[in-house]
Amino acid sequence: KAGVTQTPRYLIKTRGQQVTLSCSPISGHRSVSWYQQTPGQGLQFLFEYFSETQRNKGNFPGRFSGRQFSNSRSEMNVSTLELGDSALYLCASSGGLGSSYNEQFFGPGTRLTVL
Amino acid sequence: DAKTTQPPSMDCAEGRAANLPCNHSTISGNEYVYWYRQIHSQGPQYIIHGLKNNETNEMASLIITEDRKSSTLILPHATLRDTAVYYCIVRYMEYGNKLVFGAGTILRVKS
Repeated sequence: KAGVTQTPRYLIKTRGQQVTLSCSPISGHRSVSWYQQTPGQGLQFLFEYFSETQRNKGNFPGRFSGRQFSNSRSEMNVSTLELGDSALYLCASSGGLGSSYNEQFFGPGTRLTVL
Repeated sequence: DAKTTQPPSMDCAEGRAANLPCNHSTISGNEYVYWYRQIHSQGPQYIIHGLKNNETNEMASLIITEDRKSSTLILPHATLRDTAVYYCIVRYMEYGNKLVFGAGTILRVKS
């Protein structure tokens, strides 16, 4: 079974630009969560999507948004990039019928650098 | 905020058992304890989880105290490839699939 895939793996943008990151979950998984990892703040939850609906949201500004498609693939978008948005963005998928206790499988992440 | 406390770092000799402690004194009755690890530059990897009973799988064992206020992750025969940051997470039902990560424990396995 293929794991969680994220594209692109590396990205360089400049301040003020916007960026879209993509995540393909494990086949059959319906929940996709996004996390931001920085040296200063560690791993922080951004949001979770389940069946194309945002089910949970972390404490990030509205510049961070996401969506999920009918095939469970998900994208997250960051508009008006700031230097502090430089981070590793991780996507995780979990399966089942929306149980809260499934293990999550993480992708390798997208390394975003904002100049 | 993370509801767990872990030591910032630990060392372990290769081939020996690594015992990683975690305090979660405010855990409530229906909240699970999860362990993940993150090897440098990779996404976190699920290890094990439990509610109140001790659990074992092919990777590790999880020992939860009777009052559930603390737990220990045991890697029975640590190898160099087990060097990673280990996160102890209390999973809240109302958070769904949201995981609240703390700073974790850096485990260094040395030959």
